[in-house]
Parts: sequence; C-alpha cells; structure tokens
Amino acid sequence: AQSVTQLGSHVSVSEGALVLLRCNYSSSVPPYLFWYVQYPNQGLQLLLKYTTGATLVKGINGFEAEFKKSETSFHLTKPSAHMSDAAEYFCAVGGFGNEKLTFGTGTRLTIIP
Amino acid sequence: EPEVTQTPSHQVTQMGQEVILRCVPISNHLYFYWYRQILGQKVEFLVSFYNNEISEKSEIFDDQFSVERPDGSNFTLKIRSTKLEDSAMYFCASSEDGGSSYNEQFFGPGTRLTVL
Repeated sequence: AQSVTQLGSHVSVSEGALVLLRCNYSSSVPPYLFWYVQYPNQGLQLLLKYTTGATLVKGINGFEAEFKKSETSFHLTKPSAHMSDAAEYFCAVGGFGNEKLTFGTGTRLTIIP
Repeated sequence: EPEVTQTPSHQVTQMGQEVILRCVPISNHLYFYWYRQILGQKVEFLVSFYNNEISEKSEIFDDQFSVERPDGSNFTLKIRSTKLEDSAMYFCASSEDGGSSYNEQFFGPGTRLTVL
C-alpha cells in the first residue's frame, strides 16, 4: 500500500524567498515519487520525478526535490520564488509494476509581492 | 505541444441521471487513466485502460462506472446513476507506455461534476 502526506494545505512566501513544500510518503515497495503542478483551469503538469539513481532531482522552472529514504520524504524546493509559481502543487507516489499514482491533498502556493 | 483535452469543463446533473465525461488523450498514447478529486480531498485513482480493457481499477470504480474507447480518439467515463457523493473533479490522463508509473502520465484540465 502507498500513501502521501503533504503538510500545509496553503503556503505563502514572499517573492524572491525560498519555497519549501513538504511531502512524506509511505510505500511497501521502492517508491517512484512525483511532483505535479496545477495552474488555474489547466491539467496537472509534471514538475519532476524520482525513480532510481541520484536522489536530488531537478525539474522545470527551477524546482528541485530530494529523495530521503531514511526520512521517507520528498520535499520540493526553489531558491527564489517568482509570482508565476503561484499554483497548486501535488506530491504523488507510484512504483515499479504499479500503474496508478497515489496523490497527496495538494498545497496551494501563494506568492506575496 | 500535444495535450489531453476534456469536455465538458463543468457538468451539472440531477441525482440518478447518467453522465458521460469525455477525454481526448494524446494521439500516440496507448494507456489511459481516470482519477477524481472530491473537493478538499486527495486525487484518487479510479481506473487504467489499455488495449480496450481495464488493466487496473480501484474499489471506488464499482458497477456504476464504466469506461470505453468508442473510436480512435476518445476515451469516456460513464456514471450510470449519479449520486451526490460523485460530485468531484474528474481528471483524465494518458501515457505513451504503461505497466508502471515510471512512465509519465499527462493529465487533462479536468471536468467538474456537480450532482444535485
């Protein structure tokens, strides 16, 4: 069984500040981990994913995430927030041989000018 | 850039009515999925579909639900007799390859279903 917990349904940061969105997972098999972003009236867009190999994963728009097995975490970061980063962010877990993605409840990111 | 499209964007229906939600996956993709998100809750997997067959379904996907690929481009989700608790955002997704979540799933913008 797999599950995801995203701490903080709403996060606000100032423009130029660090963005940190938290994700913890539970998985009985080696996990594949994903971050998706959803802008208003658009579909879920893949930001980045971890499957195997390097634990620090870089994605689009300057985001990165680090897989920490000991902490069962996959937190999303960006050094400097931009107004265009305002969106809803979803963490998800999957696994080898498992087609379905299990999502968290999402975090709405607001950027303060 | 190719994208998954869904129609309608918002559907309002009366309890007990049948609804069909439509999706056009990316043209060279072979694996198709439906997920839903009840307001304030998690995005939940409903079903995956490949080669005109359901390959996996969740416990939510009971006899009231069905999926179909009626032609070479559309992928539909039918709810036979809607209940109040079916009110949710329904997302369609497709992937070029399947069998594992390793393969990127591309999501549509969703259809918001409201059951009155």
